[in-house]
Amino acid sequence: DTAVSQTPKYLVTQMGNDKSIKCEQNLGHDTMYWYKQDSKKFLKIMFSYNNKELIINETVPNRFSPKSPDKAHLNLHINSLELGDSAVYFCASSRVRQGGGTEAFFGQGTRLTVV
Amino acid sequence: QQQVKQSPQSLIVQKGGISIINCAYENTAFDYFPWYQQFPGKGPALLIAIRPDVSEKKEGRFTISFNKSAKQFSLHIMDSQPGDSATYFCAAGGGGTSYGKLTFGQGTILTVHP
Repeated sequence: DTAVSQTPKYLVTQMGNDKSIKCEQNLGHDTMYWYKQDSKKFLKIMFSYNNKELIINETVPNRFSPKSPDKAHLNLHINSLELGDSAVYFCASSRVRQGGGTEAFFGQGTRLTVV
Repeated sequence: QQQVKQSPQSLIVQKGGISIINCAYENTAFDYFPWYQQFPGKGPALLIAIRPDVSEKKEGRFTISFNKSAKQFSLHIMDSQPGDSATYFCAAGGGGTSYGKLTFGQGTILTVHP
């Protein structure tokens, strides 16, 4: 069983379109994240949700809107896609205590290409 | 204050050699220092992690050395194998209201020649 699964794995779309990426975790974790990996492989956090509540928003354009319908799911919707949005997006989850660092489990990634 | 700096950017090692990757951090509130391994087309996977109350942690061929006063930590891969060829990321987490957020280094592409 895949611990953190995200769909689709590949997404090719035109500029200006709206697209969504879905993520599900079966680890029973209470915190989920979206990370972005750019063309230089740099990983940077975008959002974090704890018990369905947004707790971290790292100055991401408001064209990006995460939604967490329940603790096991965190989706990412992107409006008006731009060329610069091309990247690999990773969903992750962990069980955290406030202020404490802990292991994050990552999905396989969604490679988004905007043409 | 949130940066984690990693070096080298790339590393080539012969089979059986030792691979060493270094990281430095600034935020003294960090309390969790993991290393992640990423293969092409896959997500990062936890390799080994350390907390600042110990100076070294070893798991098999992988060792983390941690220097709290210098705010540095490193990954040593002993007896490096071609299967170890991957991108390695150090990270730091914890402190304040981080809720498990990880701040990653820039990554090191490791190539182990047979």
